[in-house]
Amino acid sequence: GESVGLHLPTLSVQEGDNSIINCAYSNSASDYFIWYKQESGKGPQFIIDIRSNMDKRQGQRVTVLLNKTVKHLSLQIAATQPGDSAVYFCAENEGYSTLTFGKGTMLLVSP
Amino acid sequence: EPEVTQTPSHQVTQMGQEVILRCVPISNHLYFYWYRQILGQKVEFLVSFYNNEISEKSEIFDDQFSVERPDGSNFTLKIRSTKLEDSAMYFCASIGSPRNIQYFGAGTRLSVL
Repeated sequence: GESVGLHLPTLSVQEGDNSIINCAYSNSASDYFIWYKQESGKGPQFIIDIRSNMDKRQGQRVTVLLNKTVKHLSLQIAATQPGDSAVYFCAENEGYSTLTFGKGTMLLVSP
Repeated sequence: EPEVTQTPSHQVTQMGQEVILRCVPISNHLYFYWYRQILGQKVEFLVSFYNNEISEKSEIFDDQFSVERPDGSNFTLKIRSTKLEDSAMYFCASIGSPRNIQYFGAGTRLSVL
């Protein structure tokens, strides 16, 4: 598959701020997207997913936005907490192909 | 909540030695995956496994690698003759059916000296 990349390697925010983590993908045929959170020493943990027939999906404190026109995916975290500090990965696939991961963005939340 | 379990959490080995990394996927899942993550780099797909055979593998998964599901619960990754560049975190993942969320284990850190 084609690569998936992230614009910002590190994002520092204050507790209570809203955070936005961005991801660009290059495979225009990708139809499924996932955000994972990885805390130090742990495996990737599912946060939220979205299929290409949607442009927005909301979870608890998180929202994923998909812009297929510019092949851009974002993860919004409302009222960021210190426990949100982690590396966030986007991943995508097309049909039943394997997931392709981006490199990750580190989110640092200061109290 | 069901989880994917990996052992050991850290494996140290000498170059040229064989290692076996173990995974216990979620019990009702049918599709299994191995990924690796070199320090500071992105998660890379190695292999997927379904119905007791490899369904897809990447260029990384060469003849030194093999996978096995020796019984109804374990899913193993074997590296026959480890190289320094095999040092990485290795993650196992499983899903119940295609197009579902992949659940990951906590990983095994492999250090090849």
